[in-house]
Amino acid sequence: NAGVTQTPKFQVLKTGQSMTLQCAQDMNHEYMSWYRQDPGMGLRLIHYSVGAGITDQGEVPNGYNVSRSTTEDFPLRLLSAAPSQTSVYFCASSYLASGGANTGELFFGEGSRLTVL
Amino acid sequence: GNSVTQMEGPVTLSEEAFLTINCTYTATGYPSLFWYVQYPGEGLQLLLKATKADDKGSNKGFEATYRKETTSFHLEKGSVQVSDSAVYFCSHTGGFKTIFGAGTRLFVKA
Repeated sequence: NAGVTQTPKFQVLKTGQSMTLQCAQDMNHEYMSWYRQDPGMGLRLIHYSVGAGITDQGEVPNGYNVSRSTTEDFPLRLLSAAPSQTSVYFCASSYLASGGANTGELFFGEGSRLTVL
Repeated sequence: GNSVTQMEGPVTLSEEAFLTINCTYTATGYPSLFWYVQYPGEGLQLLLKATKADDKGSNKGFEATYRKETTSFHLEKGSVQVSDSAVYFCSHTGGFKTIFGAGTRLFVKA
């Protein structure tokens, strides 16, 4: 019963380095998304996808890239890390209702804590 | 723009006390409303939801009613337990974007 799996759980980067946060779900959910959680700011949407080959920007997309080649996987790429990207990152997925509407019932991974020095 | 505003925490209560966490929202149209809970070191879990005006969501003794006239979705529980200590997030979903509040930390003392 894996649900949403994120790796790595912890990562330390130096400014300018690149890395990919991995996210996989085994629930056959069409919708997947990435959030960052910062103290006092709740969760902010970075990017989302409604199916393989379809992605779109959220509230705070700058500095992040995503792709969706399969239903199961939705990696988040930081091409040149900055200290402002120090945060806890959450991947979340959900099913779409008939007709393609978003149900909003998100299933979250356990998070990836990223520190950029 | 779309937003969610929650009461600031932390909220500290004794066991068996009554809990209210206020949540108001701004949105276009008629979004679905949610409460999520986050226990230490974990991701968020859906606690309850309401999809239209006057709906009441409930789960594990928690309740919240979708009030369109006051754009509110306050979380209540009649008798909290130590195990309810967590961070609670109010959110709304319109289209494919979910907007979260800043979260309210609850501490329950035995």
